[in-house]
Amino acid sequence: KNEVEQSPQNLTAQEGEFITINCSYSVGISALHWLQQHPGGGIVSLFMLSSGKKKHGRLIATINIQEKHSSLHITASHPRDSAVYICAVRSGGSGGSNYKLTFGKGTLLTVNP
Amino acid sequence: NAGVMQNPRHLVRRRGQEARLRCSPMKGHSHVYWYRQLPEEGLKFMVYLQKENIIDESGMPKERFSAEFPKEGPSILRIQQVVRGDSAAYFCASSPPFPSASGLTQYFGPGTRLTVL
Repeated sequence: KNEVEQSPQNLTAQEGEFITINCSYSVGISALHWLQQHPGGGIVSLFMLSSGKKKHGRLIATINIQEKHSSLHITASHPRDSAVYICAVRSGGSGGSNYKLTFGKGTLLTVNP
Repeated sequence: NAGVMQNPRHLVRRRGQEARLRCSPMKGHSHVYWYRQLPEEGLKFMVYLQKENIIDESGMPKERFSAEFPKEGPSILRIQQVVRGDSAAYFCASSPPFPSASGLTQYFGPGTRLTVL
């Protein structure tokens, strides 16, 4: 079993739909990251969170530390949101030891016009 | 402030050749991380370097792979005698020095896509 599991693996939506991508992890963490990767492109960091909820534009990320679960929501989805969304967890530990990221396999989102 | 730069963006090598991938971190960042993304797989940590030091290379294959981050110049990931299984996207990320809240965020480069024929 992978330490970081994402669901669904693939998601197709119509423009305007509300989208949820889930991430579950099995290890203790100090922080969780959501990343975006466009096909053939680089990786952009969307959020880093260790508790609660963060919002940036139409993107919302939540995390439940007790349940070891995070969700990424996209409101009013748009075709330009089509990308792979990757969940990554930073291992627990203090100071400089918590740098290592463990990644999920990603969720491929396609938003059709 | 330019982001993390990687070059080349695409690299084609024949089996047995050497591949050199370069990463220039963001200005002021002294920490560099290399990740590999194999086809149909997630990103995997390879190595963590600070200037002139390898801090953690636990994700590096034992043979043929090496990394450095010299005092001057970019970080280099070097793959000797490449094989087809080395074909992947290699991403570099950088972060500011610890400890700081921003030091927990890694900024990714655009990646180098290596194809071994």
